[in-house]
Amino acid sequence: EVQLVESGGGLVQPGESLRLSCVASGFTFSSYGMTWVRQAPGRGPEWVSAITGSGDGTSYRDAVKGRFTISRDNSKNTLYLQMNSLRAEDTALYYCARGTVSIDPWGRGTLVTVSS
Amino acid sequence: DVVMTQSPLSLPVTLGQPASISCRSSQSLVHSDGNTYLSWFQQRPGQSPRRLIYNVSNRDSGVPDRFSGSGSGTDFTLKISRVEAEDFGVYYCMQGTHWPRTFGQGTRLEIK
Repeated sequence: EVQLVESGGGLVQPGESLRLSCVASGFTFSSYGMTWVRQAPGRGPEWVSAITGSGDGTSYRDAVKGRFTISRDNSKNTLYLQMNSLRAEDTALYYCARGTVSIDPWGRGTLVTVSS
Repeated sequence: DVVMTQSPLSLPVTLGQPASISCRSSQSLVHSDGNTYLSWFQQRPGQSPRRLIYNVSNRDSGVPDRFSGSGSGTDFTLKISRVEAEDFGVYYCMQGTHWPRTFGQGTRLEIK
């Protein structure tokens, strides 16, 4: 069974950093691109970033470019999202998902709250 | 960015009746590789989104055949032939052809 388990969320103040992790199981991790999607409370999903299976290609939405970094460790079957200079508008449930052109499945998410 | 526009935003439906959701994109979703990367997701309260349809019309494993997807270019539709109680929730389309990937604003399927 394919599983994705996110962790690393929490409550931080504006300007602080967090690193999210997503541990994958049930499939050959290195063969798949991976995606981070976020969903603010009461709103629809918003694509954040994606990375190729080898890790040599990445893409970001404009609002997080220069602040967020996506990476992966295929030896650990783990996807990461380093989030720096966090803002209130980054508050959301962050999901990792398998794939980059069509994403499935999604994990259960980890909540990031940015507030003073 | 490609704007995905869903309609209606709210869809009251009686059990056993059909339902149809439209998704229109601001640019063609035909990729240079010839595929059209349009997916549909269902999100029930408190759950992660679940993919139902990929590449316009391919149903995911385990998705009931009452769900179907169609369309081309910039105009796409998700149809439910006969709505069941478990179908209520919010439906989103998503394009995977252009960067950044974008979602529709969602259609809430609710009991009439």
